[in-house]
Amino acid sequence: DSGVTQTPKHLITATGQRVTLRCSPRSGDLSVYWYQQSLDQGLQFLIQYYNGEERAKGNILERFSAQQFPDLHSELNLSSLELGDSALYFCASARTASTDTQYFGPGTRLTVL
Amino acid sequence: GDSVTQMEGPVTLSEEAFLTINCTYTATGYPSLFWYVQYPGEGLQLLLKATKADDKGSNKGFEATYRKETTSFHLEKGSVQVSDSAVYFCALSAGTYKYIFGTGTRLKVLA
Repeated sequence: DSGVTQTPKHLITATGQRVTLRCSPRSGDLSVYWYQQSLDQGLQFLIQYYNGEERAKGNILERFSAQQFPDLHSELNLSSLELGDSALYFCASARTASTDTQYFGPGTRLTVL
Repeated sequence: GDSVTQMEGPVTLSEEAFLTINCTYTATGYPSLFWYVQYPGEGLQLLLKATKADDKGSNKGFEATYRKETTSFHLEKGSVQVSDSAVYFCALSAGTYKYIFGTGTRLKVLA
């Protein structure tokens, strides 16, 4: 158990809908990363937050957004969902913005029908 | 840009066989290198890491040495078990500290 929690574990929704994925980092970690794992794209970095502020952006679509709250949990919002958004979404946390070891949550499996 | 290349899987071995999974990288600067393991239905778990040239990471019988001259970080284990069946990801972290992952290598160990 990494200490990173993600909810929900599974999510099934329809095209055009909006969903929110939630992540709670390990106790004491200030940095949260979001990754998408799909069969065709592999594991891709989406976005990083550190202590409430956006720190780095990767291959995140404009339809997707994220935020980190004062209690350090983070939410990833996915809107106008398409079939191709079906994937595993992982959250990872690290102690600081520059700590290089990240600890991953169990993931949320999103299925868009 | 930075990248990680892993050997294609799946790799199928008999129990107690020797394992090597190749990983090479391209990066500017001096990245940290990682191996993560993903068991079926689970998230990624850190297996081992190395932060500078010639460092050897080791854990649970797995080893990998950071080779700057060959830009490689190959994963090895002397004697695999059925319980080692999983997908193994090589990753690097440089600059912004986001991870760049390889495509993953599925390992299947037969009893």
